[in-house]
Amino acid sequence: EDQVTQSPEALRLQEGESSSLNCSYTVSGLRGLFWYRQDPGKGPEFLFTLYSAGEEKEKERLKATLTKKESFLHITAPKPEDSATYLCASTFRGGSEKLVFGKGTKLTVNP
Amino acid sequence: GAGVSQSPSNKVTEKGKDVELRCDPISGHTALYWYRQSLGQGLEFLIYFQGNSAPDKSGLPSDRFSAERTGGSVSTLTIQRTQQEDSAVYLCASSPQTGNYGYTFGSGTRLTVV
Repeated sequence: EDQVTQSPEALRLQEGESSSLNCSYTVSGLRGLFWYRQDPGKGPEFLFTLYSAGEEKEKERLKATLTKKESFLHITAPKPEDSATYLCASTFRGGSEKLVFGKGTKLTVNP
Repeated sequence: GAGVSQSPSNKVTEKGKDVELRCDPISGHTALYWYRQSLGQGLEFLIYFQGNSAPDKSGLPSDRFSAERTGGSVSTLTIQRTQQEDSAVYLCASSPQTGNYGYTFGSGTRLTVV
């Protein structure tokens, strides 16, 4: 069964304390790996798409990387406004257009 | 509109009643998706519309769930004879074309079945 697993479930950081979120996937024929940010009471907001191992994408304090088995979302010198739930999702060959989502990592950045 | 609009934002209904949830996608977006987010669970795919093609209904959990998209724009998700396990946030998203996964989500409809 195609699955996406995120860890940790929750992460607390001090402002400026860099860390990484993990997304491992077991899908047959990965087509794309996606990261979203979700704030309370809102829908997910698209961040990045990665298509092949070795690919990296950056946006402000966030950098996403992809290997053949997992993706990392690196957060450098986070600020309190980076607090949110970060969702990882994948599409796979034969899976139509649907995204398979992980359960997310809830990030809290304390000032 | 500037974003994906969903209504109502909150809905409380009695078990056994039917409900309709509405989604207004971004103008010109041909692909429209419905997902469900339950407490402690990931987003669960329900149904996907692309242009005039037959929708992908493979994620609908039972025949109590149905959806339509009129005129390639507004979509309605209908849940008949609601059950308590239907309580969740129902999210709609749209994108300009198939394969463009930077799609824009609405803020969702929080459905509570009592």
